Amino acid sequence: ETGVTQTPRHLVMGMTNKKSLKCEQHLGHNAMYWYKQSAKKPLELMFVYNFKEQTENNSVPSRFSPECPNSSHLFLHLHTLQPEDSALYLCASSPGTSGANVLTFGAGSRLTVL
Amino acid sequence: GQQVMQIPQYQHVQEGEDFTTYCNSSTTLSNIQWYKQRPGGHPVFLIQLVKSGEVKKQKRLTFQFGEAKKNSSLHITATQTTDVGTYFCAGNAGGTSYGKLTFGQGTILTVHP
Repeated sequence: ETGVTQTPRHLVMGMTNKKSLKCEQHLGHNAMYWYKQSAKKPLELMFVYNFKEQTENNSVPSRFSPECPNSSHLFLHLHTLQPEDSALYLCASSPGTSGANVLTFGAGSRLTVL
Repeated sequence: GQQVMQIPQYQHVQEGEDFTTYCNSSTTLSNIQWYKQRPGGHPVFLIQLVKSGEVKKQKRLTFQFGEAKKNSSLHITATQTTDVGTYFCAGNAGGTSYGKLTFGQGTILTVHP
């Protein structure tokens, strides 16, 4: 596979569930990102990892917990979410973290919280 | 913090008409990127502009970066149904925000055949 792969593509969970989103990139990039896309809102940056180290946490609630075991894999662990957390969660990667780097996005994980 | 505003939010055109979306930043940008997201899809990179006053073309798409590097535009000539989607600009302010792209809210383009 090439590019950025996200699983699952769709997820429905209750507010007391624990689930994880997975992202894998096959581009040899060093930086990986989680974005949240809600209806009628701009893309919201959540987390940035560069060489496995978290370099940005954009004031994200602790019910979202990222994990980056290596430069190719990124997880988003979810627990005790709220209905307003329902959104499309996009993973992206780039060669580095400078603002001139181009983002390659995955297809996204559509999350519905009941 | 840095804000990137994009207008219009929606644009409905007849096939063959032209389309323009505008992006304005509250701060001077080091560079700006444009992405397209098809309905049900994910954002895909279109182009990056770096120089003041830069103009780049991709077939029917023309991208401009303002002289002051605070605004940008995307113009599509003679739209086609394949142009349908949301167009996002993303600005990088550099400096202390180095490495952080700020996305505009996007312009949703609908093309009627």
